[in-house]
Amino acid sequence: GQQVMQIPQYQHVQEGEDFTTYCNSSTTLSNIQWYKQRPGGHPVFLIQLVKSGEVKKQKRLTFQFGEAKKNSSLHITATQTTDVGTYFCAGIRGSGYALNFGKGTSLLVTP
Amino acid sequence: GAGVSQTPSNKVTEKGKYVELRCDPISGHTALYWYRQSLGQGPEFLIYFQGTGAADDSGLPNDRFFAVRPEGSVSTLKIQRTERGDSAVYLCASSPGLAGGEQFFGPGTRLTVL
Repeated sequence: GQQVMQIPQYQHVQEGEDFTTYCNSSTTLSNIQWYKQRPGGHPVFLIQLVKSGEVKKQKRLTFQFGEAKKNSSLHITATQTTDVGTYFCAGIRGSGYALNFGKGTSLLVTP
Repeated sequence: GAGVSQTPSNKVTEKGKYVELRCDPISGHTALYWYRQSLGQGPEFLIYFQGTGAADDSGLPNDRFFAVRPEGSVSTLKIQRTERGDSAVYLCASSPGLAGGEQFFGPGTRLTVL
């Protein structure tokens, strides 16, 4: 079945440094979604990418979908302490509706 | 309007007992999903409803797990003969029902099986 892998598992940065997390799938994805989960919280939707090679930006966050639609990345410029949390990528499962999540990248930002 | 709500927020039970977890989705959302999240892991898909019917239950780990959504709104996840390995946070999410698209997650029910 579809496997979604994320690296790194953990990342600790100083406030103001950049951060990138990578997501790779064993199969081609129809689309990919990114979620953020704060400690003790629930996943919150960030964005969805659908097109091959797509790039989307949300303020300091840049999301990319690979040309082969098998990989994706999230880059945060100049991290802030409010960026702390776990970032998950998720590919759509075979049914076309439910999500297949990666294990996530936990980001810690120290001031 | 209100988001997805789940009750109880915490449930402690003994091995072998039966538990029910409830999810109240966002009004009007036809799609409802159950996920299970263990510590340090991403949410793991369990079952997906479109309206009243289970459109995909391939994630249910075994026949001790069952879920219903009789009126196409509230859903109940039922676990029989609970085992310690069932301990996790059970997350419910809903969406308007279109393929793909944002899912709105509830706060989860933390289940602990002693």
